[in-house]
Amino acid sequence: SQQGEEDPQALSIQEGENATMNCSYKTSINNLQWYRQNSGRGLVHLILIRSNEREKHSGRLRVTLDTSKKSSSLLITASRAADTASYFCATLLNAGGTSYGKLTFGQGTILTVHP
Amino acid sequence: ETGVTQSPTHLIKTRGQQVTLRCSSQSGHNTVSWYQQALGQGPQFIFQYYREEENGRGNFPPRFSGLQFPNYSSELNVNALELDDSALYLCASSPRRNQETQYFGPGTRLLVL
Repeated sequence: SQQGEEDPQALSIQEGENATMNCSYKTSINNLQWYRQNSGRGLVHLILIRSNEREKHSGRLRVTLDTSKKSSSLLITASRAADTASYFCATLLNAGGTSYGKLTFGQGTILTVHP
Repeated sequence: ETGVTQSPTHLIKTRGQQVTLRCSSQSGHNTVSWYQQALGQGPQFIFQYYREEENGRGNFPPRFSGLQFPNYSSELNVNALELDDSALYLCASSPRRNQETQYFGPGTRLLVL
């Protein structure tokens, strides 16, 4: 079963606009990550935010995490046509040591940026 | 490019057949995980291998099995293929000490007819 639920399922915007995607999850987490996937190909890691962090930035990406609401958002500022892709949130429940790192993904948001 | 490679890129099989998918991990990564991604869905964790042994498994039947070799390359084997096995299969590698970030290969798209 999916841990995360993403909203919206699809988002269509014009170049230069901001895109915001939301993710909700069900259980306690070590961290939450966002990945990008172009046209059903491999996943590219974008950004990771730990459970004790509230906000993180990387270039045009801004991620927030609200552990009390079990939710996260990904903001892409000044979007470009090349940002067109599917975006997934993923939670990591256990990592390192003798446990294993199982990523649990949401169903994703399809972002289309029109030139 | 993550340095993780998978082969083949595409594969067509018929129901009941067996399939083997291959993955070569990024250099220095001794942990490999496999995921299944059905069309329009997020990836689902199949299992993880470390030191050539299965080290965690998702909700997949035993006909999904794997191997990890001393050079950290890996195989995913699926027996008695079913139509619902049609999906993109992704492998991801990570160093054992830090599994927070996993590096994904481009995937193998399997179609079962």
